[in-house]
Amino acid sequence: SAVISQKPSRDICQRGTSLTIQCQVDSQVTMMFWYRQQPGQSLTLIATANQGSEATYESGFVIDKFPISRPNLTFSTLTVSNMSPEDSSIYLCSVVGAFTANNEQFFGPGTRLTVL
Amino acid sequence: GNSVTQMEGPVTLSEEAFLTINCTYTATGYPSLFWYVQYPGEGLQLLLKATKADDKGSNKGFEATYRKETTSFHLEKGSVQVSDSAVYFCALPNAGGTSYGKLTFGQGTILTVHP
Repeated sequence: SAVISQKPSRDICQRGTSLTIQCQVDSQVTMMFWYRQQPGQSLTLIATANQGSEATYESGFVIDKFPISRPNLTFSTLTVSNMSPEDSSIYLCSVVGAFTANNEQFFGPGTRLTVL
Repeated sequence: GNSVTQMEGPVTLSEEAFLTINCTYTATGYPSLFWYVQYPGEGLQLLLKATKADDKGSNKGFEATYRKETTSFHLEKGSVQVSDSAVYFCALPNAGGTSYGKLTFGQGTILTVHP
């Protein structure tokens, strides 16, 4: 398996500001994903973070609002831009790598964001 | 595309009660099926999986059998503990092509176990 860490673990932010979330893996991975989990809801995929190229966004999510970087095979960032209270959610990264099988994904611990 | 429907919760049980959380799926072919668990304040952990029809996944006393006849993957545990209180998600991979590697999750079922 892999150890996945996310920073920050939680934050409280003001409306209109931006927050960058980091996801670090202790081994190289093939794929990295970013999910949003709104309060009391299931997970919704935001985008696939592509190493060395632009992320692939799901319907309803745009790069201007959620810019993503993935400079190498172990690290990615998600920025939540121009935040509003509706962005209050848990943001999770997940990975697929040589240690996974059958399309399973391993998840980070999540970043709990509250926007006031 | 592939989809999963999970029983609506929440579920409240007393310790040592029997647990069933229903999950049915619609899929192209026979994809792997997963149950993930999210303990309070934590991320998701893979609880168990099954990779083909009639497979039984098991872990921590939980079991789920991949039944293609009923397109189901129900989660069961014979005797729940307070420490099992969590949110449980059924999941399966999206169909192929550009969806490679992606997962589709059920709505999640909140389980609360009382002493």
